[in-house]
Amino acid sequence: AQSVTQLGSHVSVSEGALVLLRCNYSSSVPPYLFWYVQYPNQGLQLLLKYTSAATLVKGINGFEAEFKKSETSFHLTKPSAHMSDAAEYFCAVSGSGDSWGKLQFGAGTQVVVTP
Amino acid sequence: GAVVSQHPSRVICKSGTSVKIECRSLDFQATTMFWYRQFPKQSLMLMATSNEGSKATYEQGVEKDKFLINHASLTLSTLTVTSAHPEDSSFYICSAGQGAVLAFFGQGTRLTVV
Repeated sequence: AQSVTQLGSHVSVSEGALVLLRCNYSSSVPPYLFWYVQYPNQGLQLLLKYTSAATLVKGINGFEAEFKKSETSFHLTKPSAHMSDAAEYFCAVSGSGDSWGKLQFGAGTQVVVTP
Repeated sequence: GAVVSQHPSRVICKSGTSVKIECRSLDFQATTMFWYRQFPKQSLMLMATSNEGSKATYEQGVEKDKFLINHASLTLSTLTVTSAHPEDSSFYICSAGQGAVLAFFGQGTRLTVV
């Protein structure tokens, strides 16, 4: 079975500061990992994904994440926060075998950006 | 990129009535779609896997007779909430994959049962 844990349900950052959202995973097989962003009353938008290729993954809107197998982590970062980055962020892991394509989501991290 | 369209985006219904939510893959064929439910301030929970031409697979604890899923074509899956009650009020989101590793999400449907 796969699962993800997001550390910190709320993160507050100043505009221009580093954004760091933490995600740790548990998986019995090599995982596929995802970060999604959700704005209020909207669906999810894919930021980036790890699919066993390069461990440093670059996504949209200046976000990137690094897969670290030794730490079972897939933390999301952005060097400089913008006001438009205020949203809910979800880390997810894809299932395997019969669960292929199903996503297990973390609890989410609400990002607040202050001027 | 691939687009998944969900309709309606918002619906209010009376207790005891049924509501149908549509999920369409607009530019690709999806043999499998997934339905998630999201309560306020919470994460998404997988409800069921919708399989084109066969019965849906429901997650443990999800009532299949209350949440009817039909996947009649390669581009359309529907979720019908039958005899809705206020506790069914939630945000419902569908997803479809293009290939095995990508999941594109619909815009979501905010259901309010009064």
